[in-house]
Amino acid sequence: NAGVTQTPKFRILKIGQSMTLQCTQDMNHNYMYWYRQDPGMGLKLIYYSVGAGITDKGEVPNGYNVSRSTTEDFPLRLELAAPSQTSVYFCASSGLGGETQYFGPGTRLLVL
Amino acid sequence: LAKTTQPISMDSYEGQEVNITCSHNNIATNDYITWYQQFPSQGPRFIIQGYKTKVTNEVASLFIPADRKSSTLSLPRVSLSDTAVYYCLVGDIRGANNLFFGTGTRLTVIP
Repeated sequence: NAGVTQTPKFRILKIGQSMTLQCTQDMNHNYMYWYRQDPGMGLKLIYYSVGAGITDKGEVPNGYNVSRSTTEDFPLRLELAAPSQTSVYFCASSGLGGETQYFGPGTRLLVL
Repeated sequence: LAKTTQPISMDSYEGQEVNITCSHNNIATNDYITWYQQFPSQGPRFIIQGYKTKVTNEVASLFIPADRKSSTLSLPRVSLSDTAVYYCLVGDIRGANNLFFGTGTRLTVIP
């Protein structure tokens, strides 16, 4: 099993550009999450999903969108990139909401 | 929502036992306590989870007093490879929208 995979590993965006961060898990987990981590800070939950077709906002959802059309994939969309979205983005999955979360390697995003 | 407070940093010598305490005064009845470890440029990794009293696995122990307003992660005989940031999370095991990672505790193990 590959676990949780994320692409790309690193990306530079210009202000106002859009992009999609990809996340895939092969553990048949129902729950998936997107977090962002700013330098020296903890992780903040952006969006989460409890299953295909069901998503909900976390602590910091503004500026982001998500969709969950399959159990395996949970892409995160940035529509109008802003410098404040410069961060490392982690995707995670778990069997149930409070169970062990398995994290991907992260995507480092720089918005200039 | 139960949020947590941890020391920002700790130093320890190799071979010592390290105890990291987390305060969570507003913990709810259905909340569990979970600890994660994060190395630089990696995603967090699960260490241990518990509800009350004591939980032990192959890498750590978790001590939770009766009032559950705090918890202590104990790492026996740390090595240099245990240098990392340790996060305490409190949240309902049935839910996903109340999971807050604080700033964590940066543990530095000194040779």
